[in-house]
Amino acid sequence: KQEVTQIPAALSVPEGENLVLNCSFTDSAIYNLQWFRQDPGKGLTSLLLIQSSQREQTSGRLNASLDKSSGRSTLYIAASQPGDSATYLCAECTSYGKLTFGQGTILTVHP
Amino acid sequence: DTAVSQTPKYLVTQMGNDKSIKCEQNLGHDTMYWYKQDSKKFLKIMFSYNNKELIINETVPNRFSPKSPDKAHLNLHINSLELGDSAVYFCASSQDIGSTEAFFGQGTRLTVV
Repeated sequence: KQEVTQIPAALSVPEGENLVLNCSFTDSAIYNLQWFRQDPGKGLTSLLLIQSSQREQTSGRLNASLDKSSGRSTLYIAASQPGDSATYLCAECTSYGKLTFGQGTILTVHP
Repeated sequence: DTAVSQTPKYLVTQMGNDKSIKCEQNLGHDTMYWYKQDSKKFLKIMFSYNNKELIINETVPNRFSPKSPDKAHLNLHINSLELGDSAVYFCASSQDIGSTEAFFGQGTRLTVV
């Protein structure tokens, strides 16, 4: 059974801090791992996608890593800003493009 | 200019009714999906279609029937709505059923009263 777990469930930090969100998955037949952002009452915005053959991807202040052997991915956010406040979801993509999501990490960055 | 668009955005209806949610993507993708986000914000796949063919049916009650008239559209019809069907339903698309990025619509918040 595929499971994706995200730790912590919630995180509150002051503006300017660097932070790490964790994601673990159980299916070794992963095709890729995606990180999404969801704002309250909104849809999902894709942040980063890491193919199974890759180790990391970077976009601006975001860096995501993937370690298939340990079944872990991390999302690193540098110099956090209040506008980064949202729920962050990781999802592993397996056969037929199916995404299995974690429960999300609710991030609050306060000024 | 929305890539994946769903209508309606909000839907309030009574138990027992039949309703449809429409989804369209203008990305030229081959694969479309429906996901359900429950009251605890947990997202789970319901269906996927590739080139109008059903690929994934994730043990969803047969009151839910997806319809894909063409590659750009995947509609979700729900019969005999129940209170437990209240959730946010998200449509998504990707280039194909392989390891490509998924793009999500804004969601349809369904409330069954």
